[in-house]
This record gives sequence, C-alpha cells and structure tokens, in this order.
Amino acid sequence: GAGVSQSPSNKVTEKGKDVELRCDPISGHTALYWYRQSLGQGLEFLIYFQGNSAPDKSGLPSDRFSAERTGGSVSTLTIQRTQQEDSAVYLCASSPWGEGEAFFGQGTRLTVV
Amino acid sequence: QKEVEQNSGPLSVPEGAIASLNCTYSDRGSQSFFWYRQYSGKSPELIMFIYSNGDKEDGRFTAQLNKASQYVSLLIRDSQPSDSATYLCAVRGATNKLIFGTGTLLAVQP
Repeated sequence: GAGVSQSPSNKVTEKGKDVELRCDPISGHTALYWYRQSLGQGLEFLIYFQGNSAPDKSGLPSDRFSAERTGGSVSTLTIQRTQQEDSAVYLCASSPWGEGEAFFGQGTRLTVV
Repeated sequence: QKEVEQNSGPLSVPEGAIASLNCTYSDRGSQSFFWYRQYSGKSPELIMFIYSNGDKEDGRFTAQLNKASQYVSLLIRDSQPSDSATYLCAVRGATNKLIFGTGTLLAVQP
C-alpha cells in the first residue's frame, strides 16, 4: 500500500477483555516496530521485527502483551486481560531495511473502561 | 540514564527566529539518527535523518551530529507558527532498535 495502515483506528474495550491491533506495513518494508504513546508522553518502544530474525521483545511491558508478524508482512499486537493503564495510542512503523527511515501509521487509540 | 534524552520544553521562539532543538543519546554504537515532528493528535512524521558527523541541510532544517559528544540537534530557520509541534529525536542503536526521546514542544509565537 501507499503507507502504513493500522486498524482499528479506535477501540473501546472493557477491562479484562483481550484486544488485537493490526498493522499492515508499506509493501517491501522488512522492519516493523510497535510503540505505545500515553497521553502527553513520548513513544515507548514495545517490539521490533526485522525480516525472518527473532523479534526484539525487550519493550513489552508484561506477559499480557504479545505480537506476531505473519509472512514478513502484517503484524498483530495482542493485549490479553486489558487493564485501564493499557489505554494509549498504539503506533506501528515500518522501514525498508533495518537501518532505513521508519514511517508511521495513523495509530490505534485504545481505551479500556 | 535514559537512552535518548531531550528537554521537554516548551521552547518558545518568535516567528522568523531560529529554533534549536537538542538531543543526547547513551549508546555509543548508534549509527542512525532521526528527527520527527508530531502535531497534537497525529502520528510522528519524518523530517530529517543523519548518519555522519557534521551538518545536513534540507530547506529550513539543519540536522547536526557529533558522535564523539553523543549529541544530535535540529535547527529550524525562519520559524513559522506552523512549525509549532513536538519534535522527537530518534536513535537507532547497534541492535537496530529505534528508540525515541520524549520530545520537545516547540511554540512559535506570531
């Protein structure tokens, strides 16, 4: 596609429910990043995929968070048993290779009530 | 020590002035450095990248990199009210992980 696409744009969920956030990177981009941005805060690194290498999961805040990338393209971030502190904007970015510029999607605003 | 540090601001400059935004990083193995602009409620957009020591100019923007001092900066000449936004410094370390600073809020006063 022309840019990084994320879905849904907005998600409201009840505390304790599981949610899945989707990211479709720019075609041909081998690197994919997930970040979380709480209101008024900076970008918190969550996870990084590069090609077929093992992902860098060092930023995942707890074992309730997981992510996968199928076929080196689309990625899904899953949050299990959501908590109110999970409320944030989740941003996905992709880059053409591990050292290139990263471009962001529009984000998914997650609200846990 | 944070991996990438920025002054949160706000940095207030008059219209037409030069805005200077600064960033320091801790990973000496870092090779790639980026500046993003983020308007309120929007996603970050890439402004500039720099890989080598020295200056890199693109229109009204100049990025400066000093690897010995682990310092990267962004100068915005002839600042406009439309430049008012949060500016994010990002550093790609030796593991290729892209880490962002918390951003500096820039306010350009008409």
